[in-house]
Amino acid sequence: ETGVTQTPRHLVMGMTNKKSLKCEQHLGHNAMYWYKQSAKKPLELMFVYSLEERVENNSVPSRFSPECPNSSHLFLHLHTLQPEDSALYLCASSQTVNQETQYFGPGTRLLVL
Amino acid sequence: QKEVEQNSGPLSVPEGAIASLNCTYSDRGSQSFFWYRQYSGKSPELIMSIYSNGDKEDGRFTAQLNKASQYVSLLIRDSQPSDSATYLCAVNRPQGAQKLVFGQGTRLTINP
Repeated sequence: ETGVTQTPRHLVMGMTNKKSLKCEQHLGHNAMYWYKQSAKKPLELMFVYSLEERVENNSVPSRFSPECPNSSHLFLHLHTLQPEDSALYLCASSQTVNQETQYFGPGTRLLVL
Repeated sequence: QKEVEQNSGPLSVPEGAIASLNCTYSDRGSQSFFWYRQYSGKSPELIMSIYSNGDKEDGRFTAQLNKASQYVSLLIRDSQPSDSATYLCAVNRPQGAQKLVFGQGTRLTINP
C-alpha cells in the first residue's frame, strides 16, 4: 500500500456506540493530522501529532479522543457522538509538522444516528 | 474576516475554456499557498503550490500569486469535464502548530 490509508471508509453509529477510526501513512512522515469536513464548511483541523506527541488540539470536544502509538499510525476514538458530528473525517500527513505540504487519506464518511 | 476566502460557486465553464478560481487571505505573513482538488466523495489532492509572486505553470494549470493584494488564483486552460471538482485554497499560518488554513472551496463544473 502507498500513501495514506484510512479505515473504515464508511461508518454508521448510534449516539451510545464507541468506535475508532484508523489512519496509516506509508510515506515515512513524522507529522499526522485529523481534519473534519462538513458540508459547505472549510476543512477543520482537529488534532496535530508530531513524532507521536500531540502538538495541537483545536478545542475539540472530549467525545473525540486521538491516539498516536507511532509515527505511522493515528487513531480517532469516538464515543457518545452527536448527529452534528456526522461528517467526512480526513487524516493527513506531512514530512514534519513544519512542512506545509500535506497528503490526505481517502477519509471516513461518518453518520451518527 | 475569514482567514482564507473563496467563492463557493458553483462556477460553470464550457469545455475548452479557461476556468479561473480565486482566493484571498488575511495574514500578510503567509508565505506558502496551495491548491487542492477534491472530487465528490474523495479526499483532497494537492495539485499546485506557489511561494513567490507571479505565475507558476504546470501543464494546463497556472497558479498566480500577488502578496501585496493578498490574492492567489488558479487558472485551468482547455478545461475538461474531468476538471469538475471542488478546488480548495490553502494558506500557511506562520504562527502556531496549525500550519495550513483552508478555504471553503469553489465547486467547478465544466460543461461539455
